[in-house]
Amino acid sequence: QVQLQESGPGLVKPSQTLSLTCTVSGGSISSGGYYWSWIRQHPGKGLEWIGYIYYSGSTYYNPSLKSRVTISVDTSKNQFSLKLSSVTAADTAVYYCARVRVDYGDYVYDYWGQGTLVTVSS
Amino acid sequence: AIRMTQSPSSFSASTGDRVTITCRASQGISSYLAWYQQKPGKAPKLLIYAASTLQSGVPSRFSGSGSGTDFTLTISCLQSEDFATYYCQQYYSYPRTFGPGTKVDIK
Repeated sequence: QVQLQESGPGLVKPSQTLSLTCTVSGGSISSGGYYWSWIRQHPGKGLEWIGYIYYSGSTYYNPSLKSRVTISVDTSKNQFSLKLSSVTAADTAVYYCARVRVDYGDYVYDYWGQGTLVTVSS
Repeated sequence: AIRMTQSPSSFSASTGDRVTITCRASQGISSYLAWYQQKPGKAPKLLIYAASTLQSGVPSRFSGSGSGTDFTLTISCLQSEDFATYYCQQYYSYPRTFGPGTKVDIK
């Protein structure tokens, strides 16, 4: 059973960089056929796709965040990470990591972490 | 970006009801659509992908249909555990986008 777990600071100061890590267990991040994604949810709001990465390092980002986002992968630790720079209060959200299964053109988010709330405040 | 809309935004229903949620894309997305269920304080759960394919382990009372721009999620006989918020998501193009959600609560 694949499990994902987010970790990182729950409080980040404005203008600083938000850094989160997702640790994958029960499966190898280097397995082909999967992307590894970050999604966020503002308090009481809907879901926003941030981007994803393949184990080889190929990335896709949401253009609305692209200038501030970096997603990276560490296959030796079976982890992938999110960095979001120059944060403001508008970046306060629950951040989820998720596995994206690619199946004949279908990209589906089949396993999710529990989510971690990151608050941007001084 | 493709804009996803859902209707209704919320409604009340009773256990045993048949309920239908509609999702519309701002442009054609073929069948590249998924549905997720989210309960308060929990991560979303994949229900359906490719517009109508049931994810393994999801009860058969859930079904999806549609292609192009108009899609529906149907719950044939609402159970107590189905009271939640439902999101559609397109993966036809980047950026991936979600609908605003439909909250189903108890009448």
